[in-house]
Amino acid sequence: AQSVTQLGSHVSVSEGALVLLRCNYSSSVPPYLFWYVQYPNQGLQLLLKYTTGATLVKGINGFEAEFKKSETSFHLTKPSAHMSDAAEYFCAVTRLDNDYKLSFGAGTTVTVRA
Amino acid sequence: ETGVTQSPTHLIKTRGQQVTLRCSSQSGHNTVSWYQQALGQGPQFIFQYYREEENGRGNFPPRFSGLQFPNYSSELNVNALELDDSALYLCASSLGASGRFNEQFFGPGTRLTVL
Repeated sequence: AQSVTQLGSHVSVSEGALVLLRCNYSSSVPPYLFWYVQYPNQGLQLLLKYTTGATLVKGINGFEAEFKKSETSFHLTKPSAHMSDAAEYFCAVTRLDNDYKLSFGAGTTVTVRA
Repeated sequence: ETGVTQSPTHLIKTRGQQVTLRCSSQSGHNTVSWYQQALGQGPQFIFQYYREEENGRGNFPPRFSGLQFPNYSSELNVNALELDDSALYLCASSLGASGRFNEQFFGPGTRLTVL
C-alpha cells in the first residue's frame, strides 16, 4: 500500500517569499509522485509529476519539486509567491504496478499576504 | 479539444435517496476514475472504468456503483445515501493501458449535499 503525508494543513506566506510545501510518502515499490493544485470550486490541476529520470522536476507557474528517495520526500517549492498562488495543494502517489489509483495527501491550504 | 465535464455541478438529496452523477471524458480518453473529496480532505479513490469494465476499486461499499458507456462517458450511482456521503465527487479521464502511467485529467466536480 502507498500513502502520503503532507506536513502542515495551512501555510501563510508573504507575496514574493519562498513557498515550501512538504510531502512524504510511503511505498513498497518505486512510486510515481504528483502535485496538484485546486482553486476554490474547481477540480484538480496537475502542477508537476515525477515518474523516472531527473529527480528535480519543474512544473507550471514556476513550481518545482525534488524527489529524494533516501528521505521519501517530494517537497514543492516556488521561489517567489504570487497572490494567484493562493489555493489548496495536494501531493499524490501511485505505483508502477498499480497506476490506476492515485492516493492523495490531506492537502495544504496556501494563503498569500500582500 | 473538450476537457472533462461533470453534471450536475451541485445537488442536494436527503438521506436514503439515490443519486446519479455524470461525467464526460476528455476527447480520445477511454478510462474514467471517480474520487470522493470530503470537506477538508484529499480525494479518495472510488473506482475506475477502462473500456466499459471496472478496473479497480477503492474501499467503498457496494452501494457505490458505476457504469461506463461505449462513448466512454461514465456514471456514478450511490444508493441509500448517508450524511457522510456529502462531498465533492471528482471524475478524471485518461488514455488508459494497464502497466504504464497514464495522466489523469480532472473535471470540476459535483458537490453533493445529503440532508
